[in-house]
Amino acid sequence: GQNIDQPTEMTATEGAIVQINCTYQTSGFNGLFWYQQHAGEAPTFLSYNVLDGLEEKGRFSSFLSRSKGYSYLLLKELQMKDSASYLCAVVDSNYQLIWGAGTKLIIKP
Amino acid sequence: SAVISQKPSRDICQRGTSLTIQCQVDSQVTMMFWYRQQPGQSLTLIATANQGSEATYESGFVIDKFPISRPNLTFSTLTVSNMSPEDSSIYLCSGMLAGGLYTDTQYFGPGTRLTVL
Repeated sequence: GQNIDQPTEMTATEGAIVQINCTYQTSGFNGLFWYQQHAGEAPTFLSYNVLDGLEEKGRFSSFLSRSKGYSYLLLKELQMKDSASYLCAVVDSNYQLIWGAGTKLIIKP
Repeated sequence: SAVISQKPSRDICQRGTSLTIQCQVDSQVTMMFWYRQQPGQSLTLIATANQGSEATYESGFVIDKFPISRPNLTFSTLTVSNMSPEDSSIYLCSGMLAGGLYTDTQYFGPGTRLTVL
C-alpha cells in the first residue's frame, strides 16, 4: 500500500529552527508537496520538490532524497504565526496525490 | 495563483436531507477536485470534477451519494445526498491552473463546514 509518515505533533520556540520530516512509500514518484494549513482554514502551497536536494524560499526550505523516500521542511526564525499543520503530499506514478496526515506545529513564546 | 470561493461556508443540516456546495474559481483551471477533511486529519479525495462529463470518483465514494457537476472551467458543485451524521466534515474544493498537470500546485477554497444532526 501507499503510505506517508509524518510526526503527529511538534513543539518549538519562537525564533528557533524546526525540521518536520516526511517519509513515503508510494507506487512511483512524481514530486512532493508541502502545504501549510492554519486551523479552520484551507491548505496553502509552500513548496514542491521533484529533484533531490534543498530548495530554499525565505524562512522555509524543503529537502528531498528520492533514494531514501524522505523529505523535510525546515522552518527558520520561527514566528507565532507559523503555528499550523504542515501537510506532506506525494504524487505517485498514476499522478494521484497521496496526502500525509499532517504535523501540527505548536510555537511557544 | 488562483482565488477559490465556496458557498456556504458552513451549514447545519438534518439527517436525510441534501446540501449542495458551490465552488467558484477566478481563473480557468484544468483540474478541479473535491476533498473531505475530518478535524485533525488529512485530506481525503472524493472525486475529480470533469468539465462537461461525469466526475471521476475515488474508492469509497459514489455518484449517487456525492453527485458533482462542472458546467464550465471555473465552477463546480458537490451535493452531499441523504445526509447522515457520518457526513459531518469539512468539504474542500481545489483547482489547478490551466495547463497544469497533477504535479502542479493545487489552490484550495476556504472549505465548507458541514454538521449533520
